[in-house]
Formats: sequence, structure tokens, C-alpha cells
Amino acid sequence: KQEVTQIPAALSVPEGENLVLNCSFTDSAIYNLQWFRQDPGKGLTSLLLIQSSQREQTSGRLNASLDKSSGRSTLYIAASQPGDSATYLCAVLKNQAGTALIFGKGTTLSVSS
Amino acid sequence: GAVVSQHPSWVICKSGTSVKIECRSLDFQATTMFWYRQFPKQSLMLMATSNEGSKATYEQGVEKDKFLINHASLTLSTLTVTSAHPEDSSFYICSARRLGGNEKLFFGSGTQLSVL
Repeated sequence: KQEVTQIPAALSVPEGENLVLNCSFTDSAIYNLQWFRQDPGKGLTSLLLIQSSQREQTSGRLNASLDKSSGRSTLYIAASQPGDSATYLCAVLKNQAGTALIFGKGTTLSVSS
Repeated sequence: GAVVSQHPSWVICKSGTSVKIECRSLDFQATTMFWYRQFPKQSLMLMATSNEGSKATYEQGVEKDKFLINHASLTLSTLTVTSAHPEDSSFYICSARRLGGNEKLFFGSGTQLSVL
């Protein structure tokens, strides 16, 4: 059974810092991995999607890496801003054929100005 | 981009009543819809998978008679929490897979259910 773990559970940083969020998964046989952002009481915003054959994806100040063989992914946020404060979720998809995402518990990020 | 509309966004109900949550794909047809539940400080847990025109597949530990899922069309899936109890209070969120699309899933905005 796939399990997704995210470390740390919570993180507080001052504005401007670069930071790394970690995600690990127990079964390396994944189709893709996604990072989401969740604001309190809100739905999910997809940030980055990495296919199993890819090593990283970048979008603006965000960079996600994937090491499938070791079951790890990191989300790097450069020059953090107060607006980045949210919970970041990592999720893996086993295969393309109709399966659902398996989520970690998330990392709650707080960026102070 | 693909939009999934979910409503209500929040609902408060009395214990013993039933609550229906709707999930609509506005600009695409969804072959498969997933329903998740999230308790505070916990991860989103898959409750069930529904394919249009067929019975939903429930995850272990999820009562199918309590959480009724209907996926009658390619754009609409509903989750009905029957005889709700305070322990059913949670954040419920749906996601949809586009017909003919890739593996990317699109999420609704979620429903916060509070049962008194």
C-alpha cells in the first residue's frame, strides 16, 4: 500500500528565504507526482506535475524534483513571500488508468513579513 | 482550463439529517470522479471512485450505505451523506478526470460539513 510522507509538518520562515519541502513515498512504481497548494477551507491548486520519467519541473519561483528510485521529491520555493503561506500537499498517482491520487498530510508554511 | 464546480462550499446540519454535495465539471466531460475527505491536520483520504453510469467503488472502511454516490452524467456526480452525525463533520472535496484527457485531475473547491 502506497504511503506518502511529508516533512516538516509545519514551517515558519521570514520573507525572502529560500526553502525546501520534502515528500517521500513507499512504492516507487508511480506514474506521476504532483504538488498542490491548499489555502484554509479551500480547494486545491495544482502547482507542478512531474511525470515518472522526468527529474524536475519549474514554474516561476517553484521547482520540484523527483527521484523515483529513492521515492523522494522536493519542492523548492525561492524568495518566499507572505502570499506563499498555505499548506503544500504532495500526491502520487499509481497509473493512468483511473486510479486516484494518494496524498501526504502536507506541510503548512507560514511566511512572515 | 478545466473547471470543477462543487457546492455547497459549506453546510451546517442537524444530526440525523442528510446532506447532498454536488460536483460538476463545467467545461469538460468527466469519465471518472473521485471523492475525498479531509479531517483537520490530516491528509486527503480517498472515499470512493465513481465512473459515469456505474456503481461507485468505495475504499475500505467507507460505508457505501451512508455515503451515497451518484454519477448519472458525464458532468455531474453527487455525494449524499445520509443520517449525518457529528463525526461526519469534515472537509469533502471532489476531483474529476477528463474524458480522453491525460492523468491530470481537476479539483472542486471543497465542502466544509459541520454536523451539530
